[in-house]
Amino acid sequence: GQQVMQIPQYQHVQEGEDFTTYCNSSTTLSNIQWYKQRPGGHPVFLIQLVKSGEVKKQKRLTFQFGEAKKNSSLHITATQTTDVGTYFCVISGNNRKLIWGLGTSLAVNP
Amino acid sequence: EPEVTQTPSHQVTQMGQEVILRCVPISNHLYFYWYRQILGQKVEFLVSFYNNEISEKSEIFDDQFSVERPDGSNFTLKIRSTKLEDSAMYFCASGGQGTVYGYTFGSGTRLTVV
Repeated sequence: GQQVMQIPQYQHVQEGEDFTTYCNSSTTLSNIQWYKQRPGGHPVFLIQLVKSGEVKKQKRLTFQFGEAKKNSSLHITATQTTDVGTYFCVISGNNRKLIWGLGTSLAVNP
Repeated sequence: EPEVTQTPSHQVTQMGQEVILRCVPISNHLYFYWYRQILGQKVEFLVSFYNNEISEKSEIFDDQFSVERPDGSNFTLKIRSTKLEDSAMYFCASGGQGTVYGYTFGSGTRLTVV
């Protein structure tokens, strides 16, 4: 079935350092969504990317969709302790079934 | 901001017992989902529900599981005979006609089977 690979699984940074997580699919995607889950919390929708090569920014977060629509990245500039959590990329399968990456858990040292 | 509400927040049950997890999705949403997440692991799809019927289900969603939308507002997940491995956080999510706003998740029900 359709799958999405996400790397790295864990990332530990010093506050102020940048952070990037990557998602890859073997098939062309119609869209990709990103969610954040704080420790002990529930997934919260961040953004959806639809267009080839699309770049969207939310403050210090930059989301990119690859030209071939097979990969995506989330980059956080100058991490803060509030960025701690697990970031998931999610793709839509048939019947709007959501297929989740394994997530990248970000830890930030103050 | 509209919320998806899940009750109870924590349920402890004995192995073999039936449990019903309840969700109130956002009122004008059309797509409803149940997911589960074993502590520290990935989010696993269980079932999607649209137009009053199951549109997709995973291999996890076997005969022990069922979903209902009994009254047009609630969306329930029933596990008929719980097993130890059913212990997990169960999330309900709902989505509108379009996907641009993503899906809204409830805060989850932590199910502990003892």
